[in-house]
Amino acid sequence: DVKVTQSSRYLVKRTGEKVFLECVQDMDHENMFWYRQDPGLGLRLIYFSYDVKMKEKGDIPEGYSVSREKKERFSLILESASTNQTSMYLCASSLPPADGNTGELFFGEGSRLTVL
Amino acid sequence: GQQLNQSPQSMFIQEGEDVSMNCTSSSIFNTWLWYKQEPGEGPVLLIALYKAGELTSNGRLTAQFGITRKDSFLNISASIPSDVGIYFCAGPWTGNQFYFGTGTSLTVIP
Repeated sequence: DVKVTQSSRYLVKRTGEKVFLECVQDMDHENMFWYRQDPGLGLRLIYFSYDVKMKEKGDIPEGYSVSREKKERFSLILESASTNQTSMYLCASSLPPADGNTGELFFGEGSRLTVL
Repeated sequence: GQQLNQSPQSMFIQEGEDVSMNCTSSSIFNTWLWYKQEPGEGPVLLIALYKAGELTSNGRLTAQFGITRKDSFLNISASIPSDVGIYFCAGPWTGNQFYFGTGTSLTVIP
């Protein structure tokens, strides 16, 4: 089974702190994603990556950056955390869609971040 | 980004009742996915749909790909307490990105 592991299930940080959210997948997937989940808003894409050292902005990249130095690892960085970044963050990985492959996303368990 | 409107936003039902939810898009999709997120977990894929009009079942769950390709439906028959969670629809915007609906939160009362 695909395993997507997020390093922290719960974090509490203060406004202005730098925050790192780490995600590792063990199935050699090319694609990795960071989503933010808020009640009533569903999952919104922050950043994604098709390959090592490659990144693309999603719908809500402001206030975030990412790093993908190795294929299995995709990190989300909040340079200076703010209270409006209090949320659930979900990492996902996938293979590119192809015959016999839906391109479905496999998700980690999520990291709930509270910024005070 | 793409807008996927999902309804209803929440449902409170008695055990044994059937459930229906739907998702509409502002654009045509070639694939529709339905995910379930249980409390404290990440979303897990339930059903994938690839063709307009397609009807696919997974146990008590049935999903349909609307013929306009702008909507999809998920039905759960004879609900049980373990059906509780948030159900999301998703569709691909490009080959690698998926956009998600706002979610339907389901509570099943024993």
